[in-house]
Amino acid sequence: DIVMTQSPDSLAVSLGERATINCKSSQSVLSRSNNENYLLWYQQKPGQPPKLLISMASTRQSGVPDRFSGSGSGTDFTLTISSLQAEDVAVYYCQQSYSAPLTFGGGTKVEMK
Amino acid sequence: QVQLVESGGGVVQPGRSLRLSCAASGFTFSTYGMHWVRQAPGKGLEWVAIISYDGSNEYYADSVKGRFTISRDNSKNTLYLQMNSLRTEDTAVYYCAKAPGSFAFYMDVWGKGTTVTVSS
Repeated sequence: DIVMTQSPDSLAVSLGERATINCKSSQSVLSRSNNENYLLWYQQKPGQPPKLLISMASTRQSGVPDRFSGSGSGTDFTLTISSLQAEDVAVYYCQQSYSAPLTFGGGTKVEMK
Repeated sequence: QVQLVESGGGVVQPGRSLRLSCAASGFTFSTYGMHWVRQAPGKGLEWVAIISYDGSNEYYADSVKGRFTISRDNSKNTLYLQMNSLRTEDTAVYYCAKAPGSFAFYMDVWGKGTTVTVSS
């Protein structure tokens, strides 16, 4: 099974400042056949289901603000919120879709400082 | 709009069974894979199972393999999760989620979830 490790577990960021979340997979999730990274990012606000933010490591979903960006390849990935807004307070999860069983990172809680 | 509504959760004793349902609307259910994902109280997300658009393929998490069965009825636009031999560690909110393709390994739309509590 592919183990997904997120860091940090939590971080507090001031309004308008940058938030950076890391995700590392225990093996590469880069497909050699199509050069795609099978890595997703989700946002979960309190009391709500998760919401898909980014697919294939860097493709923002429709309607997701452009302050959210994803980067990385192979085993190391980053979700960046360029200018934190109040509505971004949430837990963020990465997930690998490279192979079953599908696995999530443990989550990173983003709070306002 | 795409909507997923889970039902069937409740309190059940260890060793007993429960069947969850997920009613889908707003999209052509029969052409998309579907997932179950769960979240224990105060914990992170755990993927449970996936079924392909036509029900011909399924995968399970090791933690539920042999005890849980995912199925679907495309004539009723409904996804199911049959849970047998329940354990206290199965206590969680269970989310139904749509895959963006016929058997895609991620989730683009989620339901609000149904709560399962396994306790004596």
